[in-house]
Amino acid sequence: GESVGLHLPTLSVQEGDNSIINCAYSNSASDYFIWYKQESGKGPQFIIDIRSNMDKRQGQRVTVLLNKTVKHLSLQIAATQPGDSAVYFCADLEISGGSYIPTFGRGTSLIVHP
Amino acid sequence: DAGVIQSPRHEVTEMGQEVTLRCKPISGHDYLFWYRQTMMRGLELLIYFNNNVPIDDSGMPEDRFSAKMPNASFSTLKIQPSEPRDSAVYFCASSLGGAREKLFFGSGTQLSVL
Repeated sequence: GESVGLHLPTLSVQEGDNSIINCAYSNSASDYFIWYKQESGKGPQFIIDIRSNMDKRQGQRVTVLLNKTVKHLSLQIAATQPGDSAVYFCADLEISGGSYIPTFGRGTSLIVHP
Repeated sequence: DAGVIQSPRHEVTEMGQEVTLRCKPISGHDYLFWYRQTMMRGLELLIYFNNNVPIDDSGMPEDRFSAKMPNASFSTLKIQPSEPRDSAVYFCASSLGGAREKLFFGSGTQLSVL
């Protein structure tokens, strides 16, 4: 889910389909990952997190998968709804001033067509 | 709780003017973050505070930017003088217990410097 140039990667799906949003990270020492959802005109909102000792974590209609071998994680949204249309960010924790601070990827835009 | 409150929601100013953005974190949260969001650079951490003390300001782009947190319920981000390249959405976020807790974002301030 990294952006190229000025445009965010975009995923378009039909209502009811399952969506998979991907994210690559570079720091092999990262041990905690978070997904945020940002609706238009609003700030990012926490969705789900996962620690590196897990491969999978499930929430309500969302599942996050972590593949540490290839440094990749994905967010799966089941039965996508129009209200899921938003920009989705993955974040890991980077050391900053002695504490671990969320560092965000560029985001992926999800468009759900009714 | 009303969540993180930012003001103003929109600010339009002319180059060279001083701009002050305001943030009220969630009561009881001990971390406060200022992020800037642009299409080119995504979400960038500018500065963060712990218990009202600035911990890392290495993300502040220039000396024209300054941030204060005089008490646990209020923070400001000031740009003086402002420049067109400062145009962005500025988000404030707060969290409890540090980075490993989820961030709660405000709705942001859309800044346009003409």
